[in-house]
Amino acid sequence: AQTVTQSQPEMSVQEAETVTLSCTYDTSESDYYLFWYKQPPSRQMILVIRQEAYKQQNATENRFSVNFQKAAKSFSLKISDSQLGDAAMYFCAYRSAPFNSGNTPLVFGKGTRLSVIA
Amino acid sequence: KAGVTQTPRYLIKTRGQQVTLSCSPISGHRSVSWYQQTPGQGLQFLFEYFSETQRNKGNFPGRFSGRQFSNSRSEMNVSTLELGDSALYLCASSLLPGQGADETQYFGPGTRLLVL
Repeated sequence: AQTVTQSQPEMSVQEAETVTLSCTYDTSESDYYLFWYKQPPSRQMILVIRQEAYKQQNATENRFSVNFQKAAKSFSLKISDSQLGDAAMYFCAYRSAPFNSGNTPLVFGKGTRLSVIA
Repeated sequence: KAGVTQTPRYLIKTRGQQVTLSCSPISGHRSVSWYQQTPGQGLQFLFEYFSETQRNKGNFPGRFSGRQFSNSRSEMNVSTLELGDSALYLCASSLLPGQGADETQYFGPGTRLLVL
């Protein structure tokens, strides 16, 4: 079974600075998806960024980018120019590529709580 | 497009009761998945439905069940509630493979269940 590990339970960053959240995963599959979700105090789970394993290019979404190292099974999230609204719980998630059986469930890490200091 | 909606948002029940939670997916999404989130266990997959059929099931007891209707709306039911069932229940919807490149799951706001 796949597992996702987020080794940093809590992190903090100064407003306007850059922070990197770590995620490693364990899988024997070659085709899969990786995601970062953000869960603010409202508890709404919001997609931040996604990466397809077959793509070598790292995904970016505005101030959010990832460093995807397939061989090392590492998928870190970099947040640039941090804003107060970035304060939230961040979850790294893995999903097997769908086959004939259809969609596969997300496997989540335990999360990293990010605080942004004004 | 409207996002995933879940009702009710908050619920208080007592042990032994049963509860039904509802989820309406994003328009056009045909797959609905349910997750349970607790401080101790984190996010755990409950089940996934497509075309009114359960396609995948997580490691939860039979007290947890669900169904999907022809309009893709889904309900989950928990019978004989236990204190440990107190959690945030999240619903997520997605397209299916072949319907586009985006298999991403989009989440609703969740239903917070408290069992006393």
